Amino acid sequence: DVKVTQSSRYLVKRTGEKVFLECVQDMDHENMFWYRQDPGLGLRLIYFSYDVKMKEKGDIPEGYSVSREKKERFSLILESASTNQTSMYLCASSIVQAGANVLTFGAGSRLTVL
Amino acid sequence: AQSVTQLDSQVPVFEEAPVELRCNYSSSVSVYLFWYVQYPNQGLQLLLKYLSGSTLVESINGFEAEFNKSQTSFHLRKPSVHISDTAEYFCAVRDNYGQNFVFGPGTRLSVLP
Repeated sequence: DVKVTQSSRYLVKRTGEKVFLECVQDMDHENMFWYRQDPGLGLRLIYFSYDVKMKEKGDIPEGYSVSREKKERFSLILESASTNQTSMYLCASSIVQAGANVLTFGAGSRLTVL
Repeated sequence: AQSVTQLDSQVPVFEEAPVELRCNYSSSVSVYLFWYVQYPNQGLQLLLKYLSGSTLVESINGFEAEFNKSQTSFHLRKPSVHISDTAEYFCAVRDNYGQNFVFGPGTRLSVLP
C-alpha cells in the first residue's frame, strides 16, 4: 500500500513564526498536493506539484509556499503564520495514469496558531 | 469551473437503518467521481470511484453509489449502517483532462445505537 506520511500530527505555533509541514510518500508518485480542511468548507487546494522542482498554485495559495526538491518529499511552508491559518492540513499524492488517478492521503497535520 | 455540492452537512441515522448521502456536481466536461471517508483523527480514504462503465459502483464495506449523468449526481447509499460507519464523507470530482480534484464540503454521518 502507498503510504503518505506527515511528520507532525499536531503543532502549536505563535503568530509570525515560520512553519514547515513535511510530507513524504513511498511509492514513486509523480503528483503531490497540499490541502487545508476547514469545517463546512471541505478540502481546498493550496498547492500541487507534478514533478520535482515543479509547483502550481491551487485555489488558496496566499500566505503559503512549497518546496519539492525530491520526488518523495513535498513541504508546505508558512513564512509568517497567522491565526487564520489555524487548520487541518492534508497532504496527498497520486500517480499519473489515465482514468486511474486517485488521491492517497496522509493522516493530516493539525496546526494551531496562537 | 467544477463544483461539488453536498446538501446535507449532518445526517444522523439509527443503526441498521438505510442511508443516502447526496452529491451533485457541475462540470462542462466528462468527469470521474469519487467518495472519500474520513474517520475521526485520520486522513481521507478512498471509498469508491466511478471512472467509466457500469454506473453503479460498490465498495467492500457495503456502500454503493450511482452515477446519474442527466441529474449530475453521485449519491452514496447503504441499506443498513453500522456504528463503525460514523465518519465524514466527501464527494469529489476530477475532470479527465486535469490532475486536480474538487471536493464537496462533506457530510458528517452519525450512526446512533
